[in-house]
Amino acid sequence: GAGVSQTPSNKVTEKGKYVELRCDPISGHTALYWYRQSLGQGPEFLIYFQGTGAADDSGLPNDRFFAVRPEGSVSTLKIQRTERGDSAVYLCASSLRGVTGELFFGEGSRLTVL
Amino acid sequence: AQSVTQLGSHVSVSEGALVLLRCNYSSSVPPYLFWYVQYPNQGLQLLLKYTSAATLVKGINGFEAEFKKSETSFHLTKPSAHMSDAAEYFCAASTGANSKLTFGKGITLSVRP
Repeated sequence: GAGVSQTPSNKVTEKGKYVELRCDPISGHTALYWYRQSLGQGPEFLIYFQGTGAADDSGLPNDRFFAVRPEGSVSTLKIQRTERGDSAVYLCASSLRGVTGELFFGEGSRLTVL
Repeated sequence: AQSVTQLGSHVSVSEGALVLLRCNYSSSVPPYLFWYVQYPNQGLQLLLKYTSAATLVKGINGFEAEFKKSETSFHLTKPSAHMSDAAEYFCAASTGANSKLTFGKGITLSVRP
């Protein structure tokens, strides 16, 4: 597609449930990033993929969070045993390898944990 | 560790007035610096970036920013605000190693008729 696509755009779940958020990057972009944006805050880095491998997962808050990118394109962010504090907008971005900082963002997936 | 500071959460200007959005960074190495804009119901998009070439960087929609190493600043300006500039603006920094960005908290710009 023309831009980064994220689904679902909105997700409401109950505390303790499992959630998956999907990101479809711009075709040809080898780098993919997940960020989390809480209300009133800037985006906070979670994880970065170069191709299929996670090059930097230092931003994942704990082991309930996991992300995959098995074929080097679509990525899924997985959250187990959701907590109310996980409520946020989850942003995905992609970029061409070697283009420093020029990220193309999707519109985000808003997660609400009740 | 790198940090980006955007003081204040909201700026309001009249249409046609100067826009000045402040950004200060703290980095142990010379950073790459960026301004991103988020319009309502849209994803963030790059306005401009500084990558150690010219210190005055011009971006889209008439915005520009000046890198001042002595002040550790990268303030965003536009000579004349337009109603369509109303949005949230984020300053970000990267060491460039893998383009991981550290964002500031963002500033909401309102433009009064």
